[in-house]
Amino acid sequence: GAGVSQSPSNKVTEKGKDVELRCDPISGHTALYWYRQSLGQGLEFLIYFQGNSAPDKSGLPSDRFSAERTGGSVSTLTIQRTQQEDSAVYLCASSLRENNGYTFGSGTRLTVV
Amino acid sequence: GDSVTQMEGPVTLSEEAFLTINCTYTATGYPSLFWYVQYPGEGLQLLLKATKADDKGSNKGFEATYRKETTSFHLEKGSVQVSDSAVYFCALGDTGGFKTIFGAGTRLFVKA
Repeated sequence: GAGVSQSPSNKVTEKGKDVELRCDPISGHTALYWYRQSLGQGLEFLIYFQGNSAPDKSGLPSDRFSAERTGGSVSTLTIQRTQQEDSAVYLCASSLRENNGYTFGSGTRLTVV
Repeated sequence: GDSVTQMEGPVTLSEEAFLTINCTYTATGYPSLFWYVQYPGEGLQLLLKATKADDKGSNKGFEATYRKETTSFHLEKGSVQVSDSAVYFCALGDTGGFKTIFGAGTRLFVKA
């Protein structure tokens, strides 16, 4: 596609429920990243994909967080048993090569109530 | 590990004023350096980048020079406009891995 597409744009969920966030990167971009931006905070790295594999999962905050990427394209970030501290904007980015500058999606604003 | 430190905001300027947002970094190698901008209600956009020492990145009237000796990548603009009001993030490409490390962001307000 022309840009990085994320869905949903907004998600309100009850504490304890599972959520799935989707990212559709720019076609041909092999590198895909997930970040989290909490209110008034900078960007926190979560996970990086090169193709379908995830060489760097170091930023996932707990085992409630997981992500996968299929077909070298769409990625899904899953948060199980959501907690209030999971409330944030989840950003997806893709790039042609690592460390060459990203194209970001508009993000998914997750609110856990 | 690698890290980025940028000046705290908010920064408030009048239109046509000179802008500097300071950014310094710590890295074991020679990272690529970036500035990203987030306009109100929008996603992050890459503003400019520099990949080696003494490179100058520029875009939309903004400039930043990669200074290895001072480990800095300060963002400058000679004459800001109201439309430049946004949050600016300094970032570096992690030399030990594949991700980009972001600073905390600096909010800029430009008054007419």
